[in-house]
Amino acid sequence: AQSVAQPEDQVNVAEGNPLTVKCTYSVSGNPYLFWYVQYPNRGLQFLLKYITGDNLVKGSYGFEAEFNKSQTSFHLKKPSALVSDSALYFCAVRDPHSGNTPLVFGKGTRLSVIA
Amino acid sequence: GAGVSQSPRYKVAKRGQDVALRCDPISGHVSLFWYQQALGQGPEFLTYFQNEAQLDKSGLPSDRFFAERPEGSVSTLKIQRTQQEDSAVYLCASSLQQGKEQYFGPGTRLTVT
Repeated sequence: AQSVAQPEDQVNVAEGNPLTVKCTYSVSGNPYLFWYVQYPNRGLQFLLKYITGDNLVKGSYGFEAEFNKSQTSFHLKKPSALVSDSALYFCAVRDPHSGNTPLVFGKGTRLSVIA
Repeated sequence: GAGVSQSPRYKVAKRGQDVALRCDPISGHVSLFWYQQALGQGPEFLTYFQNEAQLDKSGLPSDRFFAERPEGSVSTLKIQRTQQEDSAVYLCASSLQQGKEQYFGPGTRLTVT
């Protein structure tokens, strides 16, 4: 069975500093990996995905993520955090071998960017 | 263009009542998913439609949960005889076709008292 783990419930970072939100996955074969962000009272917004190719994926709002197969990780990163980045972040995985399978989400990491 | 919309945004139901939650996917999107997000948790899959066909309902927690998409567009998630453990945010997502990114609606927050 596929799963993702987000080991940190909360990440605090000062505005302007780099941020990292961690994600590790467990899936047979090569995974499809995603990051979504959730603002209060709003739905999940797609940030980026890894399907194949370059291990460094660039997404919306200056975010990027690095796929590391040996460490089974897909950490979300941003070089310089903004206060407006404060939100709930979800990592998700989808099995590419089973048609249109649903996303399997982690528990989420709350990012707080402090001015 | 318009995104995925859901109604109502908030619903309070007394235990034992039936509720119906509506999802309007992005026009032309073939695939539609329902997820349940409990407080402090990530979304968990409930059911999936491709057009009007419900291809996977393995995530529905009990036979009190029922979903339909009769014309391959709007979908309704119905919960009969609601219980307190049904309290959660119910998210709907659609995608253009099989395997493409899922776009989420704002969710319906259901509180069962």
